[in-house]
Amino acid sequence: GAVVSQHPSRVICKSGTSVKIECRSLDFQATTMFWYRQFPKQSLMLMATSNEGSKATYEQGVEKDKFLINHASLTLSTLTVTSAHPEDSSFYICSARLWRGGLRAYNEQFFGPGTRLTVL
Amino acid sequence: SQQGEEDPQALSIQEGENATMNCSYKTSINNLQWYRQNSGRGLVHLILIRSNEREKHSGRLRVTLDTSKKSSSLLITASRAADTASYFCATGDTSGTYKYIFGTGTRLKVLA
Repeated sequence: GAVVSQHPSRVICKSGTSVKIECRSLDFQATTMFWYRQFPKQSLMLMATSNEGSKATYEQGVEKDKFLINHASLTLSTLTVTSAHPEDSSFYICSARLWRGGLRAYNEQFFGPGTRLTVL
Repeated sequence: SQQGEEDPQALSIQEGENATMNCSYKTSINNLQWYRQNSGRGLVHLILIRSNEREKHSGRLRVTLDTSKKSSSLLITASRAADTASYFCATGDTSGTYKYIFGTGTRLKVLA
């Protein structure tokens, strides 16, 4: 099946530093990837849509200068949390879109295992 | 924005009983997926149902979709303690953005 990896799985950083999280589709190409954030005991909130070769599309209320997204290749998207603060501490999950073609074509999403960010 | 609402928010049952979770959404969808998440872990894909399907089965899982009511249900039969987790529905819209929006989730606890 389609596998998506994330690196690192866990990161602890000091307030004010920047953190980069990588999302890779290991066995398929993904023109579109998504970044989600999840706070404890809450659901996943879509942050942005990452499109290969073009600018990311951010959801309302998400600061694009704070959360920089780069989708430089068909298998890699990166999320950089700039000048991180304690309120940015969260579980960040990416997903990659796989287009299932054929007569009954549809999109399917495959999720990475997530990255837990703790900002001290 | 969050478009799916799930109920119940929390469910506690005895091992062997069936668990039913419901998901309602607001806009037209291309498909709907159910995921499980164990505490502090990533998402596990359970099942995908397309907008032209009404019911799907996978092992002990049964998913229904009623597009006229914009709702879906997930039934777990003969539950086990290992089924304890949070369950989320996610809807894929028809706008061409390929976005999936998650529901609020149901926290299921299966007591041994």
